[in-house]
Amino acid sequence: EDQVTQSPEALRLQEGESSSLNCSYTVSGLRGLFWYRQDPGKGPEFLFTLYSAGEEKEKERLKATLTKKESFLHITAPKPEDSATYLCAVQPGGGNKLTFGTGTQLKVEL
Amino acid sequence: SAVISQKPSRDICQRGTSLTIQCQVDSQVTMMFWYRQQPGQSLTLIATANQGSEATYESGFVIDKFPISRPNLTFSTLTVSNMSPEDSSIYLCSVQGLSTDTQYFGPGTRLTVL
Repeated sequence: EDQVTQSPEALRLQEGESSSLNCSYTVSGLRGLFWYRQDPGKGPEFLFTLYSAGEEKEKERLKATLTKKESFLHITAPKPEDSATYLCAVQPGGGNKLTFGTGTQLKVEL
Repeated sequence: SAVISQKPSRDICQRGTSLTIQCQVDSQVTMMFWYRQQPGQSLTLIATANQGSEATYESGFVIDKFPISRPNLTFSTLTVSNMSPEDSSIYLCSVQGLSTDTQYFGPGTRLTVL
């Protein structure tokens, strides 16, 4: 059975204080690993898809990386508007079902 | 990406009743899915809504409790039947196009069962 574990559960940063979120996974043949951002009261917003170990993707202050067992979401010089819950999900080879982790709740303070 | 809307955005219902949630997409999509997000928990796939045929349910979810329709390529409904307080959750639809493996999510329906 596919499994996703995210850490930490919650993270509080000062504005400009860079950090990383972790997503550990087990999946039967990875088709893709996905990062989403979820604001309170809203649906998940797509950020990145990673397909193979060594792949990296960037968007503004966010950078996602992938190894064979985990993914990291690096946040560089975060701003208060980066505050949200960040979700990681895996999709198995030959399937469409997404298995999600419980997310990391990020709070960036001034 | 597609624009996805859900109705209602939230509802408060009495136990024993049923609620139908609608999901509308502004363009034709290949796949439509229904997820549940219980308080403090991760998103869990309920079923894949198949156009013109019965939905494909995940383990732990049954058609009698969560009947799903998908009459065309842009619309689907999920009914939560004979509700109990344990059904209080956020219900989300997602869509996936033919040439992509990325799923895009609707805004969700927040359901409270008293």
